[in-house]
Amino acid sequence: GAVVSQHPSWVICKSGTSVKIECRSLDFQATTMFWYRQFPKQSLMLMATSNEGSKATYEQGVEKDKFLINHASLTLSTLTVTSAHPEDSSFYICSARDGLAGNQETQYFGPGTRLLVL
Amino acid sequence: SQQGEEDPQALSIQEGENATMNCSYKTSINNLQWYRQNSGRGLVHLILIRSNEREKHSGRLRVTLDTSKKSSSLLITASRAADTASYFCATDYDMRFGAGTRLTVKP
Repeated sequence: GAVVSQHPSWVICKSGTSVKIECRSLDFQATTMFWYRQFPKQSLMLMATSNEGSKATYEQGVEKDKFLINHASLTLSTLTVTSAHPEDSSFYICSARDGLAGNQETQYFGPGTRLLVL
Repeated sequence: SQQGEEDPQALSIQEGENATMNCSYKTSINNLQWYRQNSGRGLVHLILIRSNEREKHSGRLRVTLDTSKKSSSLLITASRAADTASYFCATDYDMRFGAGTRLTVKP
């Protein structure tokens, strides 16, 4: 099946710094990517939907200035957590939808990035 | 609010038994997808069922879809300890997830 990678898989940073997480579709073109965060023992919470070449659509309650999303190419979307605080510590997961006509149904998920802000 | 809602929230069974979990959704859909998540990992796509399908099989997985009731079920037959994970459903309408079903299969 299609593969989505995330980098880094683990990141520890100091409070106040910014962290960039990359999400790549390795063998398909992803016109749409989704970003989620997940707290321990909880479900995935959709943060934003990212379309290649346009601004991301953020879910209610998600600060767009704090969670900057860039989907500059059909294989790469980035999430930057700006001025990170300990409460931003979470598991961030991206997913991508194959952009080929007739194959846009399945979402493929990355392995996740665990962020710890000290 | 999320589209897919799974129940039960937790399910504990013995190896070899069958596990059934359910998903309800709110709007019309083109398809519904089931995913598995092992602790601390990303989601793995298990199976997709389209709105014009009533049942679909993949190995030990059987998925049903009842569009009139806006519900789906996932059956795992002859469960194994390795099936221990959280299971989620999502629809093509949106990719918001419910709380999931946490399945524990005891050896």
